[in-house]
Amino acid sequence: GAVVSQHPSWVICKSGTSVKIECRSLDFQATTMFWYRQFPKQSLMLMATSNEGSKATYEQGVEKDKFLINHASLTLSTLTVTSAHPEDSSFYICSARGAWAYEQYFGPGTRLTVT
Amino acid sequence: GQNIDQPTEMTATEGAIVQINCTYQTSGFNGLFWYQQHAGEAPTFLSYNVLDGLEEKGRFSSFLSRSKGYSYLLLKELQMKDSASYLCAVILTGGGNKLTFGTGTQLKVEL
Repeated sequence: GAVVSQHPSWVICKSGTSVKIECRSLDFQATTMFWYRQFPKQSLMLMATSNEGSKATYEQGVEKDKFLINHASLTLSTLTVTSAHPEDSSFYICSARGAWAYEQYFGPGTRLTVT
Repeated sequence: GQNIDQPTEMTATEGAIVQINCTYQTSGFNGLFWYQQHAGEAPTFLSYNVLDGLEEKGRFSSFLSRSKGYSYLLLKELQMKDSASYLCAVILTGGGNKLTFGTGTQLKVEL
């Protein structure tokens, strides 16, 4: 149980375009979802926390107008990278947490490359 | 700010035991996780400690001392497949119980 999926697993886009990444909890209701970014050989950096039906809480230094997060249901959150630039190229990972525990279940990640 | 430190790299021999340390200084504490992450993949859960002491789970054990702000992950009978990055993460109080990750330790298991 507690499976989280992400789509797409990788995406290449041109500079200036927008990319949407989906995160789904497949077999549980995720009261909270988290979005992380990870650069090569570095640890995970939390970008934002989202609760179903409310606005996301962004970490300091993360532009909320650039990284749009929507948590429309208890099983789906989306991250849209708007007007992508090459420096946005990274590994984006979501995680989901149910109401019963602190543990976060991670999705398989999305590799974004902006050319 | 939050500060979670781990050694950057470690190397160990197949069949041996290795201990990966994690020290933390955070505003609030609701527990500490250890995750394993292979290159290009998402982290997978290894252990969760909220009380002081040792938690054993097969070849993996995790220890916590809250008064010292210190944890370690102990891997026994190392296998080649244990070569990965090991991340410790602290749950902070408040703010949706978000995780703050340490710098990560890249473990290389050699023959």
